[in-house]
Amino acid sequence: EPEVTQTPSHQVTQMGQEVILRCVPISNHLYFYWYRQILGQKVEFLVSFYNNEISEKSEIFDDQFSVERPDGSNFTLKIRSTKLEDSAMYFCASRSRSGGATDTQYFGPGTRLTVL
Amino acid sequence: QKEVEQDPGPLSVPEGAIVSLNCTYSNSAFQYFMWYRQYSRKGPELLMYTYSSGNKEDGRFTAQVDKSSKYISLFIRDSQPSDSATYLCAMKPGGADGLTFGKGTHLIIQP
Repeated sequence: EPEVTQTPSHQVTQMGQEVILRCVPISNHLYFYWYRQILGQKVEFLVSFYNNEISEKSEIFDDQFSVERPDGSNFTLKIRSTKLEDSAMYFCASRSRSGGATDTQYFGPGTRLTVL
Repeated sequence: QKEVEQDPGPLSVPEGAIVSLNCTYSNSAFQYFMWYRQYSRKGPELLMYTYSSGNKEDGRFTAQVDKSSKYISLFIRDSQPSDSATYLCAMKPGGADGLTFGKGTHLIIQP
């Protein structure tokens, strides 16, 4: 069964450093997402991406964050200058198309980001 | 007032019991409602997806939406130890993309 994959599973970085989290969405999917989950908190929407541009973003997704689909398979989240409060589990998700029963977001296993 | 409220539990029930999980919400624009299951150190996995008020059944799972009360439920019949996980409700307005999640209910099914 196709699945969303994410690398690395755990990333440790120093405050102020740039990190890039990588995702490979399901191959025929068109919509891509990033969510984060701070330990003990709810899953929070960051951004959605369609047709090579951001379609929606939350208040959390400020200028420190950017997303990119550098090739036909990868989808990345970059955090330019990490802060301690960026420590969280970051989930990538994808879905095939809009509407009805196909409007399902499939989540990857997550990347745990630890900022020291 | 938080947009989506969900009792974090833990909720512990014996194997075979009927489980009831619930969420309330405040945003009347929410039109699409989902239940996800999340095992420890894994990503959320979609269980049920509903659009309108009413019931939807899939095997041992029944999702219920009451838009007038802004209340959604997930029922699990004949609960199994393998159902032990965190159950997240999620919802979104029509035309929006990002999901708003509840905090999740940690469910424990005792053998």
